[in-house]
Amino acid sequence: DAKTTQPPSMDCAEGRAANLPCNHSTISGNEYVYWYRQIHSQGPQYIIHGLKNNETNEMASLIITEDRKSSTLILPHATLRDTAVYYCIVRVGGNAGNMLTFGGGTRLMVKP
Amino acid sequence: DVKVTQSSRYLVKRTGEKVFLECVQDMDHENMFWYRQDPGLGLRLIYFSYDVKMKEKGDIPEGYSVSREKKERFSLILESASTNQTSMYLCASRTTGVEKLFFGSGTQLSVL
Repeated sequence: DAKTTQPPSMDCAEGRAANLPCNHSTISGNEYVYWYRQIHSQGPQYIIHGLKNNETNEMASLIITEDRKSSTLILPHATLRDTAVYYCIVRVGGNAGNMLTFGGGTRLMVKP
Repeated sequence: DVKVTQSSRYLVKRTGEKVFLECVQDMDHENMFWYRQDPGLGLRLIYFSYDVKMKEKGDIPEGYSVSREKKERFSLILESASTNQTSMYLCASRTTGVEKLFFGSGTQLSVL
């Protein structure tokens, strides 16, 4: 699996967009980018995933660069409840193996 | 709403005790996982199962065993608990074909 690099921490003002970057310069053509988050004392929660195209769902948007070497998770209007550790994971999709490896992630602090 | 339920939120056991951690999912998922999470080490995979009665070792299986007698239930067993097994234990499940994991709330195990 490709290695990912994320900043260890970020701050964001409540109501503003939170943009969380992830570098994955060794990503392969068949590897997806997944984002999870973990709110304190809870299990991780799936947010979104994508291969090449930008993706949007009710939680967030995922922007993947054209060369796929980096991506950005966007929370359009961050709330205090979005304070969490955000994990970017790169993995071959489908049935190729069963393991997602969680790295250190980015600790996002949303401030009033 | 999908649900992964772990039997205990907090558990305190003594060194040498046999410990059972239970996990039940209601989504008819084929794949189930046990992770442990420690500060600074992220999530580490202990064991996973891709079908009833099937199991595979993850990254850190030593000192643990698992049981999957029914599709919805995946048990983690500490045969003889030790203090270095004090940790947060997280169960997860997913369906085959999509790497979208659903996590339980976790069990904080303390071994004294």
